[in-house]
Amino acid sequence: QVQLQESGPGLVKPSQTLSLTCTVSGGSINSGGYYWNWIRQHPGKGLEWIGYIYYSGSAYYNPSLKSRVTISVDTSKNQFSLKLTSVTAADTAVYYCARDIEGQSHLDPWGQGTLVTVSS
Amino acid sequence: QSVLTQPPSASGTPGQRVTISCSGSSSNIGSNYVSWYQQFPGMAPKLLIYRNSQRPSGVPDRFSGSKSGTSASLAISGLRYEDESDYYCSTWDDSLSGHVVFGGGTKLTVL
Repeated sequence: QVQLQESGPGLVKPSQTLSLTCTVSGGSINSGGYYWNWIRQHPGKGLEWIGYIYYSGSAYYNPSLKSRVTISVDTSKNQFSLKLTSVTAADTAVYYCARDIEGQSHLDPWGQGTLVTVSS
Repeated sequence: QSVLTQPPSASGTPGQRVTISCSGSSSNIGSNYVSWYQQFPGMAPKLLIYRNSQRPSGVPDRFSGSKSGTSASLAISGLRYEDESDYYCSTWDDSLSGHVVFGGGTKLTVL
């Protein structure tokens, strides 16, 4: 079955760019019809959707993060990536990647998550 | 402040039936499917309900979902200690070019 795994630096300095990659295994990211998502969870808080990219390359973002977020897909590596610019301590969170079958929050499966701390 | 409103906590005793509510608006719950997720501490969320009331394979039929107007509910019958977890509702919101929204989460305690 499809599995997702996040990877990237666990520590990012303020004002820098947070970059994470999600590697998809057990299936092709290009197989069609899926939306590849990033979601984050601040420590002790609820879930916040960051955005998704459709397998064709079109992307939707959370309006509150849109000016700082870019999600891209690399079909040759079966990966999709997140870039969040100008980070502050408020961006410290566990970042999850997940597949959406319908583009309406039908998120399954999820990666295990990776903690990113923004600190100097 | 979450777009979808859930009670921060809920509780029940083993064997009881518990419901968790999720309130939204016409631009989200009122016009789109609702999903529910279960999350244990330190773990990734897991899809529990999709398309308002559908269960993925492997999810016990003790879990059920429903939607009416701009509100949705998750019901857990035959409550078990292992159901103690955080639960989140979620849906698509048609406003601002569209985006996924989540409820603030409900911590379920089994007494």
